[in-house]
Amino acid sequence: AQSVTQLGSHVSVSEGALVLLRCNYSSSVPPYLFWYVQYPNQGLQLLLKYTTGATLVKGINGFEAEFKKSETSFHLTKPSAHMSDAAEYFCAVSEVSTGAGYSTLTFGKGTMLLVSP
Amino acid sequence: EPEVTQTPSHQVTQMGQEVILRCVPISNHLYFYWYRQILGQKVEFLVSFYNNEISEKSEIFDDQFSVERPDGSNFTLKIRSTKLEDSAMYFCATSREGPSEQFFGPGTRLTVL
Repeated sequence: AQSVTQLGSHVSVSEGALVLLRCNYSSSVPPYLFWYVQYPNQGLQLLLKYTTGATLVKGINGFEAEFKKSETSFHLTKPSAHMSDAAEYFCAVSEVSTGAGYSTLTFGKGTMLLVSP
Repeated sequence: EPEVTQTPSHQVTQMGQEVILRCVPISNHLYFYWYRQILGQKVEFLVSFYNNEISEKSEIFDDQFSVERPDGSNFTLKIRSTKLEDSAMYFCATSREGPSEQFFGPGTRLTVL
């Protein structure tokens, strides 16, 4: 069974500082990995995803994440935080099922990013 | 840009009542999902639906839950007899292919009194 662990339910940074949100996963097969962002009273928006190929993936709003198989990690980073980045961030893992090829997402508990001026 | 829509945005119901949550998927998507998020907890998978049948369901998705695509457009989640613990945000998600990106709707907040 797959699982996701996000270290830290809250992370606080100053505007302009580096953002680092941690995600570790467990999966019995090579995983697909995702980061979603949720703004207040809104749905989940995909930030970036890793499926195959390059292990450093770039997403929207200047975010990127690196898949490290040896560490079973997929940490999310952004060099310089903006006030508008304040939101909740969810890491998710998906295993592709055989047969129909569908997959389901298993989410971490989320990390609330707080950005102060 | 196409998006997943959900109605209603907020549903308040009495315990024991039936509720139907509706989702309109992106038009060329073939895979449909329901997830829920209890306040303060993580997003949990409920059920996936493909080719007019359930592909997979979690242990949360018991006999009180059902899904269907009655008219080929809407994708619905029915809870037959709601319980207090069903109070949560329910998200619909759709994808064009199984393993590809899932697009999420804005959610329906269900409050069971």
